[in-house]
Amino acid sequence: GAGVSQSPRYKVTKRGQDVALRCDPISGHVSLYWYRQALGQGPEFLTYFNYEAQQDKSGLPNDRFSAERPEGSISTLTIQRTEQRDSAMYRCASSSYRGSLISYNEQFFGPGTRLTVL
Amino acid sequence: AQSVTQPDIHITVSEGASLELRCNYSYGATPYLFWYVQSPGQGLQLLLKYFSGDTLVQGIKGFEAEFKRSQSSFNLRKPSVHWSDAAEYFCAVVVGGFKTIFGAGTRLFVKA
Repeated sequence: GAGVSQSPRYKVTKRGQDVALRCDPISGHVSLYWYRQALGQGPEFLTYFNYEAQQDKSGLPNDRFSAERPEGSISTLTIQRTEQRDSAMYRCASSSYRGSLISYNEQFFGPGTRLTVL
Repeated sequence: AQSVTQPDIHITVSEGASLELRCNYSYGATPYLFWYVQSPGQGLQLLLKYFSGDTLVQGIKGFEAEFKRSQSSFNLRKPSVHWSDAAEYFCAVVVGGFKTIFGAGTRLFVKA
């Protein structure tokens, strides 16, 4: 596709259920990022991949959150045993950035998945 | 710790008037600074970025921003606002080469 896509766009789940959020980056983009955006706040960094390797997961709030990108393309963010405080917009971004501090490349953002935990 | 502060939660500007959105950052090294715009139901779109060199950077849609190291600021400006500029604007800094830290955003309202 032309841009970053995310699915589902909206997810309503009950507390205690597991959810999986999908991100399909721009074709050929090496790097992929996950962010969480609470209402009235800016996006908050969660984790980052270069190809299939998870380079940084320091932003994941706790061990209920995990992410993978097994083939270096599509990524899945999984939240286990969801809680109401997990309700937020989850955004994915991709870039062709390869780790050079000199040549940072623009991150392209998807439309997000709005997660509501009842 | 690294942080980005956008002091104005929301701003209202008349169409055709000038605009300035404030941004202050806290980061010990040379900052890579960005402004993004977010329209309802859309992803974030990059308006402009600063890495080095000329401290006045031009972006898309007629926006510009000025980096002032002495003030740790990177304010966004536009000389004449259009109704279609109504959106939420985020200032951000990249640390460690990849980790983007966003401000809380400023929502812009444009009145006729």
